[in-house]
Amino acid sequence: GAVVSQHPSRVICKSGTSVKIECRSLDFQATTMFWYRQFPKQSLMLMATSNEGSKATYEQGVEKDKFLINHASLTLSTLTVTSAHPEDSSFYICSAGERGGMGGYTFGSGTRLTVV
Amino acid sequence: AQSVTQPDIHITVSEGASLELRCNYSYGATPYLFWYVQSPGQGLQLLLKYFSGDTLVQGIKGFEAEFKRSQSSFNLRKPSVHWSDAAEYFCAVGARGTASKLTFGTGTRLQVTL
Repeated sequence: GAVVSQHPSRVICKSGTSVKIECRSLDFQATTMFWYRQFPKQSLMLMATSNEGSKATYEQGVEKDKFLINHASLTLSTLTVTSAHPEDSSFYICSAGERGGMGGYTFGSGTRLTVV
Repeated sequence: AQSVTQPDIHITVSEGASLELRCNYSYGATPYLFWYVQSPGQGLQLLLKYFSGDTLVQGIKGFEAEFKRSQSSFNLRKPSVHWSDAAEYFCAVGARGTASKLTFGTGTRLQVTL
């Protein structure tokens, strides 16, 4: 089945630094990938839609200059949290749908970001 | 606007008992419906999905769900729960195609007692 690899699984960084999270579709091509943020014991909040070869589409209220998304190939999307602050600490999850597929998305295993 | 309601925040069942998790949706077109399961600190795993056809869909791990258009519901069921089913369950709705974003419900946390 389709597999999405997300790295790192956990990261701790200092305030003011930047962190990059990678999301790779291992055995399929993903024209579109999605980035979610999940607060403890809450649902997933869509942050942005990442489109291969074009700019990401951000949801209302999400700072595009803080959360930089790059989708340089059909198998890789990255989320960079710039100038991280403690309030950016969260669980970030990516998902991808197979190109030409009917829908239904495969999720990465998530990244726990802690900003100290 | 599309939305998903999962009325039960937390459910506790005994191992071996039956389970039903409720999901109601609001969607302006033909909905594509999904159930995902999430273990603590993990990503989401797809249990099952409904696009069209038979309104009773079978998924992995012995789960099934029934689409009822008249009730705008897509409830998840399992005849006999195992302790390993304890997790968070999310219902989601979207449009057809992999460029369509999903809207998730707030989730139902399932606890299984032995």
